[in-house]
Amino acid sequence: AQKVTQAQTEISVVEKEDVTLDCVYETRDTTYYLFWYKQPPSGELVFLIRRNSFDEQNEISGRYSWNFQKSTSSFNFTITASQVVDSAVYFCALSEKAAGNKLTFGGGTRVLVKP
Amino acid sequence: DAGITQSPRHKVTETGTPVTLRCHQTENHRYMYWYRQDPGHGLRLIHYSYGVKDTDKGEVSDGYSVSRSKTEDFLLTLESATSSQTSVYFCAISEDWTHLGETQYFGPGTRLLVL
Repeated sequence: AQKVTQAQTEISVVEKEDVTLDCVYETRDTTYYLFWYKQPPSGELVFLIRRNSFDEQNEISGRYSWNFQKSTSSFNFTITASQVVDSAVYFCALSEKAAGNKLTFGGGTRVLVKP
Repeated sequence: DAGITQSPRHKVTETGTPVTLRCHQTENHRYMYWYRQDPGHGLRLIHYSYGVKDTDKGEVSDGYSVSRSKTEDFLLTLESATSSQTSVYFCAISEDWTHLGETQYFGPGTRLLVL
């Protein structure tokens, strides 16, 4: 069973709009890590953030912010004032203590930012 | 950027042909991984290595073998390629396995088409 769900397969916005990407995960572990990666049209995978299960503080990095809520098993990602360069596929991933350092990825959300 | 290269970057082959993909790293990281990326599935782990000559299976290992004779090189072999192995293959590295949540850094990918 897939343990990371990204229900939105594609989101289209106009430049300067905010966009939120949903990530819902399943785990029985109390110790785990969550990640977000970006895959631009060029194809490489770029690491964005890592968050452990004991730290529910939201994080902001420039126009990017992440909302981690253990109560709903969600780790959502918001891009504020989107730009064309934000167009990419974004992946959420889970690393559980029981599985060592193996990553389980969601199916990805494609974001298209139109000028 | 992590020093990870993959070769070839693109390959077209015929069903039944053996294929070997190479991942090379300059970071001296102990752990290396092979993933495949298919639409709707995100990335799925094929095999991983936790040291020279130490490898193990991932989620989708059938039809694939790996070898690691040097720290810097991790080879993925399709003994007899099938059309279902048409995919984009990514190599990843991480410094340490024992620390849960160690970030994995990805290579540029190899696009393989099996006709």
